Parts: sequence; structure tokens; C-alpha cells
Amino acid sequence: GQNIDQPTEMTATEGAIVQINCTYQTSGFNGLFWYQQHAGEAPTFLSYNVLDGLEEKGRFSSFLSRSKGYSYLLLKELQMKDSASYLCAAVDSNYQLIWGAGTKLIIKP
Amino acid sequence: DADVTQTPRNRITKTGKRIMLECSQTKGHDRMYWYRQDPGLGLRLIYYSFDVKDINKGEISDGYSVSRQAQAKFSLSLESAIPNQTALYFCATSDLGLDGAETQYFGPGTRLLVL
Repeated sequence: GQNIDQPTEMTATEGAIVQINCTYQTSGFNGLFWYQQHAGEAPTFLSYNVLDGLEEKGRFSSFLSRSKGYSYLLLKELQMKDSASYLCAAVDSNYQLIWGAGTKLIIKP
Repeated sequence: DADVTQTPRNRITKTGKRIMLECSQTKGHDRMYWYRQDPGLGLRLIYYSFDVKDINKGEISDGYSVSRQAQAKFSLSLESAIPNQTALYFCATSDLGLDGAETQYFGPGTRLLVL
């Protein structure tokens, strides 16, 4: 079966760095997305990786290892507004998105 | 104006009632999706449509139906609502980007409560 695993909840301190991990098992693989979702709001696109390596976008970076079925989202210089859920989604062989349950990130002052 | 809109934003209904959730988009995308989101669970795909004449069942289509009235409009119907259909419903659109990624763009969601 297809499966996405990510931690349910993480806590970090304002100004610090946090890494949110995601492991996936899919029938075929055509890339991995990270989305941010504030409580009660729509998910918004953060990043897409299809090749191995690190993609950096300002304070946010996303890493992919296809051989390990593993990705992480790295958030630097954390701000209170980064408190949200972070959703990992892998693209399978039919180009369907398989979604993880999301990681709720709590930022403390 | 928002690129993807959903109406209503909130709805309370009773068991057995028929209701329709509507989605409109101005992004010009061919592909549209309906998801539901429940606490502690990931987004689950209900139906998707790659163009006006193409409708496909997703992971959890039972109890739901859809209509793609135009490229810009995709409606979700609950023919006879039941309490376990209480959830947050999202519409999304997508198009193939230059980097090969098919990024999905979400509407603001409809919060549905079935009593």
C-alpha cells in the first residue's frame, strides 16, 4: 500500500531551526510536495522536489533522497507566524498526490 | 479576488438532506479536485476532473457525486448527508508547471456539519 509518515506534532523556539521529516512509500514516484496550512485555512504550496538534493527558498529548504524514500523541510530563523501544520505529499506513478496527515508545528517565544 | 473560491464557507445540515458545495476558479486550469480533511488524517481525494468531459473517482467517492459544469466550475454533492460526512472540504486546481510539477492550488474550504 501507499503510505506517508511524518511526526504528528513538533515544538520549537522562535529564532531557532527545525527540521520536519517525511518518509514515503508509493507505487512509483514523481516528486514530493510540501505545503503549509494554518489552522482553518487552505494549504499553500511551499516546495516541490523531484531530484535528490536540497532546494533552498529563503528561510525554508526542502531535501529529497529518492533512494531512501525520505524528505525533510528545514525552517530557519523561526517566526511566530510559522506556527502551522506542514503537509508532505508524494506523487505516485499515476501522478496522484498521496498526502501525509501533517505535522503541527508549535513555535514558542 | 481569490483565484479559487468555494461556496458556502460554512454549512450545517441534517441527516438525509441533499446539499451541494460549489467551487469556481479563475486560474484557467483544466484539472480540478475535491478533498475532505478530518482531524488527524491527511487530505483524502473524493473526485477529480482533468477536463469538462473527464470525471474520476478518488479514494473515498462513496456517498458523493460531482458535476463539472464548465472549465471553471466543479460542484460536489452529498445526495443524502450522514454525520460521518462532517468534515472540512477543499476544492483545488492544478496545471503542469515548467518544472514538471503539477502544483495544486486550494480554495478556502467549506466547513460542513451534518447533524
